[in-house]
Amino acid sequence: QVQLQESGPGLVRPSETLSLTCIVSGGDSISIGSYYWSWIRQPPGKGLEWIGSLYYSVTPKYNPSLESRVTISADTSKNQFSLNLRSVTTADTAVYFCARVGDWYKSFDHWGQGTLVTVSS
Amino acid sequence: QSGLTQPASVSGSPGQSITISCTGTSSDVGAYNYVSWYQRHPGKAAKVVIYAVTNRPSGVSDRFSGSKSGNTASLTISGLQAEDEADYYCSSYTTATTWVFGGGTKLTVL
Repeated sequence: QVQLQESGPGLVRPSETLSLTCIVSGGDSISIGSYYWSWIRQPPGKGLEWIGSLYYSVTPKYNPSLESRVTISADTSKNQFSLNLRSVTTADTAVYFCARVGDWYKSFDHWGQGTLVTVSS
Repeated sequence: QSGLTQPASVSGSPGQSITISCTGTSSDVGAYNYVSWYQRHPGKAAKVVIYAVTNRPSGVSDRFSGSKSGNTASLTISGLQAEDEADYYCSSYTTATTWVFGGGTKLTVL
């Protein structure tokens, strides 16, 4: 059973870069096709927002509203993928989730528990 | 891209049925049968309860069902149980090869 776990700092200063890592365990390799490896966030009191998805050997897809500040990349040797969000503001305060998306049905079928990142000076 | 529209809250008594709607556009919900529904209890990982509009993953109760008409998808939970109390979200794949989520619906079992 695949498991995903987010890790990274819980506090980021405004204008700095938010960096998170998602460790994938349980047998799935992120270097094999058939799955997208994704980041989603939920600001306090708001709904879910898709940030972007990575499909092995293909250019990642990003939410157009965040595309200028986001990079998602993979470290296949560690079976993990990462999120970098540059020039953060308080509006980027949210719970950040990583998730796996099946290519057949485009459904987020496994999620991490999420990690709260607060942007504050 | 705008988010999908869901009611902020719904409620029902044990044993009753409720339906949660998810309204999008012809570029997302109406474009493909790639609508999914997720259940999230506070502090826990989200769990998919419906995928591809009507399909239930293994292990999900058959009290959960999904449908779609035009640009609106729906999740119905029949025979409400206390354990169903959670937040529910819909998602859709889009013609821009991106994803969009709904704002979430808080289900209260009275």
